[in-house]
Amino acid sequence: SSELTQDPAVSVALGQTVRIACQGDSLRNYYASWYQQKPGQAPVRVIYGENNRPSGIPDRFSGSTSGNTASLTITGAQAEDEADYYCYSRDSSGNHQGVFGGGTQLTIL
Amino acid sequence: EVQLVESGGGLVQPGGSLRLSCAASGFTFSAYWMTWVRQAPGKGLEWVANIKQDGSEKDSVDSVKGRFTISRDNAKNSLYLQMNTLRAEDTAIYYCARWVHGYSYSELENWYFDLWGRGTLVTVSS
Repeated sequence: SSELTQDPAVSVALGQTVRIACQGDSLRNYYASWYQQKPGQAPVRVIYGENNRPSGIPDRFSGSTSGNTASLTITGAQAEDEADYYCYSRDSSGNHQGVFGGGTQLTIL
Repeated sequence: EVQLVESGGGLVQPGGSLRLSCAASGFTFSAYWMTWVRQAPGKGLEWVANIKQDGSEKDSVDSVKGRFTISRDNAKNSLYLQMNTLRAEDTAIYYCARWVHGYSYSELENWYFDLWGRGTLVTVSS
């Protein structure tokens, strides 16, 4: 089965730009989607497809893909963006399995 | 209101069984793939299993194969996860989620979860 690799933790100063990366072979066949999770809450989708945001997600969130790496960028990070972020992709082994990255804990300084 | 509501979690002894349910409302349940995702305490998200709209195709993560069975009843707008031979490492919050095959302008396919429940806690302990 596929694996997705994320840095465990990233920090950024308030108002600055941060990029969270997700690496894996499945990303050559499937877009990553990104989920924000705050303590005690269910995950919330923030980016999906090439670079799409669900209704209600601020436009400071954006996504990109290159080769086997997907990235979530927050331009002008806000205090409320402090959370865990997970990438997800369908497994590229030809079945219907899926895989999440290990998650990145984002700290706003 | 479009929502998913999980139920059936609780405390169970190792080797025991539990059946989780996910009640869907506000949308045409039978039109969507559905998925179970879990999260162990203090850990990340783990994909567990999914099932096609009519139940004809399903798959699960290797660690639960032979122990967990995903199923659905479209007449009742419900998704299920039958969990047998439970282990301590199955302790987690279990979320149900709607899995969508979205449009793509490139050769990459676009699959994502667009609706999540709040989860139900399963604790496996003696």
